[in-house]
Amino acid sequence: RKEVEQDPGPFNVPEGATVAFNCTYSNSASQSFFWYRQDCRKEPKLLMSVYSSGNEDGRFTAQLNRASQYISLLIRDSKLSDSATYLCVLPPALIFGKGTTLSVSS
Amino acid sequence: GAVVSQHPSRVICKSGTSVKIECRSLDFQATTMFWYRQFPKQSLMLMATSNEGSKATYEQGVEKDKFLINHASLTLSTLTVTSAHPEDSSFYICSAYSRNEKLFFGSGTQLSVL
Repeated sequence: RKEVEQDPGPFNVPEGATVAFNCTYSNSASQSFFWYRQDCRKEPKLLMSVYSSGNEDGRFTAQLNRASQYISLLIRDSKLSDSATYLCVLPPALIFGKGTTLSVSS
Repeated sequence: GAVVSQHPSRVICKSGTSVKIECRSLDFQATTMFWYRQFPKQSLMLMATSNEGSKATYEQGVEKDKFLINHASLTLSTLTVTSAHPEDSSFYICSAYSRNEKLFFGSGTQLSVL
């Protein structure tokens, strides 16, 4: 099993929709995870850090399920500007998932 | 906040030439920096971990003689792609941990080898 696996994309949703991505991991020693957002041909930017059970920031909620070894990212009330690729990252080896592409349409 | 500066943002070179990419941490000291490569529609792949004052640690499959990494100071790491060939064309990105252990990325370098 690969160390980090993400939901395959793309996710195509209308504005205002709620969408969720999952990221499963195999290294059970991980204590923290990150969700990054990457726009085409640009550097990834930190979206959220997940240290314990979860984290919420506005329309974005990240949750960690240690028993099932996955983290999720929930986006509520999707905006056109949310269209990007979302990467989950597993420290300390900085293993990146392949990313989930989200496309929000009007 | 912490900023990582990467230059150049884009470079086009002839096959066989060498290209140097710089990565600087602007307002913090980075004892460790990371170099990644990303091919179109693929994930970021860690190439190597750059350690200040010591040799870089390369990931499996990455040729250390082709991708020379130098981390001469706490704020600067360089990646030199030696004798570049078209298959080396890719998006190269560096990153570094800030003091509060957040990972910040450079803006990336798009390398095109003709």
